[in-house]
Amino acid sequence: DIQMTQSPSSLSASVGDRVTITCRASQNIMTYLNWYQQKPGKAPKLLIYTTSTLQSGVPSRFSGSGSGTEFTLTISSLQPEDFATYYCQQGYSTWFTFGPGTKVDIK
Amino acid sequence: QVQVVESGGGVVQPGMSLRLSCAPSGFSFSSSRIHWVRQAPGKGLEWVAVISEDGSAKYYADSVKGRISISRDTSNNTVSLQMTSLRPDDTAVYYCARGIAGSRLDNWGQGTLVTVSS
Repeated sequence: DIQMTQSPSSLSASVGDRVTITCRASQNIMTYLNWYQQKPGKAPKLLIYTTSTLQSGVPSRFSGSGSGTEFTLTISSLQPEDFATYYCQQGYSTWFTFGPGTKVDIK
Repeated sequence: QVQVVESGGGVVQPGMSLRLSCAPSGFSFSSSRIHWVRQAPGKGLEWVAVISEDGSAKYYADSVKGRISISRDTSNNTVSLQMTSLRPDDTAVYYCARGIAGSRLDNWGQGTLVTVSS
């Protein structure tokens, strides 16, 4: 199985901050990396797919980059509605795997 | 509007069985892979299983292989997750999601809670 890790596991930030989350895969997954946002009590929401393509309706302050085994999600200017947990997911293998999540909360 | 709706969750005792259902709407059911993902209380997301567009291919996470079976019912337009020999660590919210382009999950249901407890 392809293992996914994320760092940090949590972070505290203020509105307007630039936030970067890193995701690493245990093997080369090319650009088959997706990002999801989840708020408490809600289902995950697809934010970015194939590393850097924004899902329809997602604000442009979100961006993604990377390839191979290392990927990043960046929020250029954190907004109040962005406080949530973010998960990466590899779609290279038929057996999907998720990262453990990064919780972004208010400083 | 694309939607998936799960049902069938509840409280069961260890060793018992439970069947979850996923009812998609607003998209071509027969041309989409359907996945199940679960989330234990306070924990992260765990991919569980996927069924191919025509139901001929099914894949499972190692943690559930042999105890969980995914299937399609084309007459009812639903996907089911049959869970047997349930254990307390199967306690989770189970989400159904549409798979797109073989690599991402673009529409998720609201989830159904399964609690395994004596």
